Amino acid sequence: QKEVEQNSGPLSVPEGAIASLNCTYSDRGSQSFFWYRQYSGKSPELIMSIYSNGDKEDGRFTAQLNKASQYVSLLIRDSQPSDSATYLCAVIKAAGNKLTFGGGTRVLVKP
Amino acid sequence: NAGVMQNPRHLVRRRGQEARLRCSPMKGHSHVYWYRQLPEEGLKFMVYLQKENIIDESGMPKERFSAEFPKEGPSILRIQQVVRGDSAAYFCASSPTTSGANVLTFGAGSRLTVL
Repeated sequence: QKEVEQNSGPLSVPEGAIASLNCTYSDRGSQSFFWYRQYSGKSPELIMSIYSNGDKEDGRFTAQLNKASQYVSLLIRDSQPSDSATYLCAVIKAAGNKLTFGGGTRVLVKP
Repeated sequence: NAGVMQNPRHLVRRRGQEARLRCSPMKGHSHVYWYRQLPEEGLKFMVYLQKENIIDESGMPKERFSAEFPKEGPSILRIQQVVRGDSAAYFCASSPTTSGANVLTFGAGSRLTVL
């Protein structure tokens, strides 16, 4: 079992729709969770961080965390073509000192 | 306020040569992380360093790879006797002392091609 798992996609969504991305993690003691966006050929950039159960909203992005189910998700509302990228889920494991990344989900927003 | 600076951005080596990748963290950041990204894959942790200390090298291959972060100068990731499988993007990230991995800023990456 991978430490952080994501569906590789591509996830194709029409412009204006909601993109829903999912991520599961194996270490039940993990405390910190992140979503990064990576455009092709570029470096990852942090979109959201979430540390407690529930929802966290920032603009068009909402992160959702459910520690009991070991599940974190990202919703992108009103998707735009500029949102087309790979979205990486990352976790800091219990007592850890580094980010562990999932394989990423490629999102394609079609005009 | 310059971000994380990596160089070279692109490096081509023949099998058996050495590759040296450099990373200067953001000003005020004393923690450096190196990640490797193979084509169409996620980022794999390699090593975590503070000034003059390797904190976690659990992701480093046992042979041919080494990393350092001297008191003065950039962090260096060194790959000896490169093989084609070393072709990848190598990203460096830095963070402030108090935040650890919770606040990582990534550099633009160094793309290594082994012929």
